[in-house]
Amino acid sequence: GAVVSQHPSRVICKSGTSVKIECRSLDFQATTMFWYRQFPKQSLMLMATSNEGSKATYEQGVEKDKFLINHASLTLSTLTVTSAHPEDSSFYICSARVGNSRSSYEQYFGPGTRLTVT
Amino acid sequence: AQSVAQPEDQVNVAEGNPLTVKCTYSVSGNPYLFWYVQYPNRGLQFLLKYITGDNLVKGSYGFEAEFNKSQTSFHLKKPSALVSDSALYFCAVVGSGGSSNTGKLIFGQGTTLQVKP
Repeated sequence: GAVVSQHPSRVICKSGTSVKIECRSLDFQATTMFWYRQFPKQSLMLMATSNEGSKATYEQGVEKDKFLINHASLTLSTLTVTSAHPEDSSFYICSARVGNSRSSYEQYFGPGTRLTVT
Repeated sequence: AQSVAQPEDQVNVAEGNPLTVKCTYSVSGNPYLFWYVQYPNRGLQFLLKYITGDNLVKGSYGFEAEFNKSQTSFHLKKPSALVSDSALYFCAVVGSGGSSNTGKLIFGQGTTLQVKP
């Protein structure tokens, strides 16, 4: 149980275009989803926290107009990188939290999406 | 400020030997601690967690971790390492206060475990 999928796993796009990444919880309803960015051999950087039906909460320094997050249902969140530039190339990972209680703090992670902007 | 430290960038062990990956934390209130493992070009896999109760927590793939409140540590251990354990390991914490409402994880910088045959 607690499987999270991401699509696509890999995407190459041209500079100036937009890319949408989907994150789905396959066998549970995710009250909260998180989006991370990871650079090679580095830790995960939290970009935003997304709750179903409400606006995402972005971390300091993350441009909300550039990284659009939509959490339309309890099983789907999307990250759209708008007007992508080469510096946006990175590994993007989503995660989902199963419940709201303190005993359910663990997050279940998707397999990640490798974005390359040329 | 809440933080997690993994003091070793890399840990090298021989297959069959015990392994330890270190983690220390700094949070206000009671910590909720986690270990995750990441294989190349993959997302993170949950290994184990400490919320409350016994200080020794057993998790997936034979891993365990010991919570030590006085030393604010949560070291990951395994009695006998396998080559397949080679991966990147992350320690994470949810602190009390505002971040606990959303369950936002604070990650350490990661430790690469290399197990040699």
